Amino acid sequence: DSGVTQTPKHLITATGQRVTLRCSPRSGDLSVYWYQQSLDQGLQFLIQYYNGEERAKGNILERFSAQQFPDLHSELNLSSLELGDSALYFCASAQGMSNQPQHFGDGTRLSIL
Amino acid sequence: GQQVMQIPQYQHVQEGEDFTTYCNSSTTLSNIQWYKQRPGGHPVFLIQLVKSGEVKKQKRLTFQFGEAKKNSSLHITATQTTDVGTYFCAGTSGTYKYIFGTGTRLKVLA
Repeated sequence: DSGVTQTPKHLITATGQRVTLRCSPRSGDLSVYWYQQSLDQGLQFLIQYYNGEERAKGNILERFSAQQFPDLHSELNLSSLELGDSALYFCASAQGMSNQPQHFGDGTRLSIL
Repeated sequence: GQQVMQIPQYQHVQEGEDFTTYCNSSTTLSNIQWYKQRPGGHPVFLIQLVKSGEVKKQKRLTFQFGEAKKNSSLHITATQTTDVGTYFCAGTSGTYKYIFGTGTRLKVLA
């Protein structure tokens, strides 16, 4: 158990819809990272938050947004969903701002019908 | 943009054989991390290398960071069935953005 909690585990929705994925980091971790992993693909870095502030942005689409709340949990919002957004979305947390081991949650599997 | 490639993409080995995966970056890396992802699981942190030429060992696993800090390798001695999974390297190059390698999927035949 990594200590990182992601909900929901599975999400099935239709094209054009909007969903919110939630992540609770390990106790004491201030950084939260979001990744997208498509079938049999590597991990694509989306965005990082540190102590409530956005620190780094990767290949995140404009239809996607995220935030980190004062209690350090984070949410990833995906809107105007397309078939190609079907993927496993991982959240990871780390103690510091950078160069720290990342601890991954079990992921949210998003299926777009 | 920065790219991190891993080779091979797939590797099947007989149990007891050695295995090596190589990670190559198009830019100099500040540090490199290695992760293992079991089938159906999430990535699990293995190790971080920071210094040029650094070598670290964890039981049967040996990790190296190249002198130019643009490549890295993971070598497993005498593979076991528990080594099955996909091994990813991940690095940063002066920013906070982590670039994950393409991964090497290892299958160990008993």
